[in-house]
Amino acid sequence: KAGVTQTPRYLIKTRGQQVTLSCSPISGHRSVSWYQQTPGQGLQFLFEYFSETQRNKGNFPGRFSGRQFSNSRSEMNVSTLELGDSALYLCASGRLAGGPETQYFGPGTRLLVL
Amino acid sequence: KNEVEQSPQNLTAQEGEFITINCSYSVGISALHWLQQHPGGGIVSLFMLSSGKKKHGRLIATINIQEKHSSLHITASHPRDSAVYICAVNPNTGNQFYFGTGTSLTVIP
Repeated sequence: KAGVTQTPRYLIKTRGQQVTLSCSPISGHRSVSWYQQTPGQGLQFLFEYFSETQRNKGNFPGRFSGRQFSNSRSEMNVSTLELGDSALYLCASGRLAGGPETQYFGPGTRLLVL
Repeated sequence: KNEVEQSPQNLTAQEGEFITINCSYSVGISALHWLQQHPGGGIVSLFMLSSGKKKHGRLIATINIQEKHSSLHITASHPRDSAVYICAVNPNTGNQFYFGTGTSLTVIP
C-alpha cells in the first residue's frame, strides 16, 4: 500500500498570501488529521476530518481551514499568511473515527513565509 | 500548561547503552503513542498503548494508567536510533493528539 502523501513538499510564500496544502491518505483510510510543527511550539493539532466532516478542531485562528473530499483526500488552507505560520505541516491518516488507533504520518510540507 | 510532559529533553548515549525516556500526562486518555521523528521531518508511529507493555525489537514501551506515566526503553542503543522521540496521547474526547515536546536522542558510536 502506498503511504500518506503530501504536496507540495516545500513552499515559499510572502506575508499576506494564501496557501493550500494537500494530503492523500492511505487507501481505505477515511480519517485525516492535520498538525503544525514549529521549533517554539512543537507539534500542535489543527483539525481532523472523517467522511468529509470536520470532527475536531484545535486552537488555531479562522485563517486556518480545511476540507475533505469524497475520496478522503484533504486540503488545508491558510489565508493572509503571517511570518509565524512558517512551519512543517503534517497530516496523518487512520481508518477510524473517534477511537484511538495508529496514525500514519505523511512526510510533511515545509512552509516558509517571508 | 502542557497536557503531556516528557523528560529528558535531550539525551546523549554511547552505543550499546540502555536508554529510558519518560512521559507524564494530566488528562484522561484512551491511548498513548510513542512516535519517532528523524531529521527531515518524517514521523513514524512506534507504539500505541492503552495498558501494560509492548515490545518491538529493541524497543519496549510501558504505561501505568493509574500514575498517568509511560516510559520508552531502548536496549542496546545504536547510532541509527538517533532521532526525536515524541510522546502523544489521545484524550478521552476525540481522535486528536496532545503532544509532548519530544526527546532528542543522539547515540554516539
